[in-house]
Amino acid sequence: AQSVTQLDSQVPVFEEAPVELRCNYSSSVSVYLFWYVQYPNQGLQLLLKYLSGSTLVKGINGFEAEFNKSQTSFHLRKPSVHISDTAEYFCAVSVLNYGGSQGNLIFGKGTKLSVKP
Amino acid sequence: GAVVSQHPSRVICKSGTSVKIECRSLDFQATTMFWYRQFPKQSLMLMATSNEGSKATYEQGVEKDKFLINHASLTLSTLTVTSAHPEDSSFYICSARGWGSSFYEQYFGPGTRLTVT
Repeated sequence: AQSVTQLDSQVPVFEEAPVELRCNYSSSVSVYLFWYVQYPNQGLQLLLKYLSGSTLVKGINGFEAEFNKSQTSFHLRKPSVHISDTAEYFCAVSVLNYGGSQGNLIFGKGTKLSVKP
Repeated sequence: GAVVSQHPSRVICKSGTSVKIECRSLDFQATTMFWYRQFPKQSLMLMATSNEGSKATYEQGVEKDKFLINHASLTLSTLTVTSAHPEDSSFYICSARGWGSSFYEQYFGPGTRLTVT
């Protein structure tokens, strides 16, 4: 079975500082990897995804993530954060035809990013 | 972009009563809808998947007689929590996928906070 671990439940950071949100996964088969962002009182939005190809993936709002197969990681990074990046971030994996349910997403517990002025 | 709404955003009910939560795709036709449940500081857990006009497929451990899902139209799915108990208190999130979408494309609603007293 697949699982996702987000190592940090909360990450406080000052504005314009770099940030890394960590995500590790476990799976015996190839996975597809995603990061979602949830702003207060809004639904989850897809930030970026890794399906295949280049291991460095760029997403919206200046975020990027790198797929590292040997370390089974998909850490999210941004070189300089803004106050508006304050939100909860979820890492997720999906396996095609997982248990017969194609495209099911398995989520981590989320990381709350707080950007302080 | 694709928008999914949920109603109500918050609901408080007494133990033993039933509660209905609506999930609507506002600007696209949702052939598949997903219902998730999220406990505090926990991951989003998939409860069930429903395709329009078909019976929902429930994940292992989810009581289908307790969590009734109806996906009668291409823009509306409902989740009814029957005979609710305090342990059913949680955050319920729906997502939707439309025709021709990639397997990973899910648009999320903002969630419904259910409190059973």
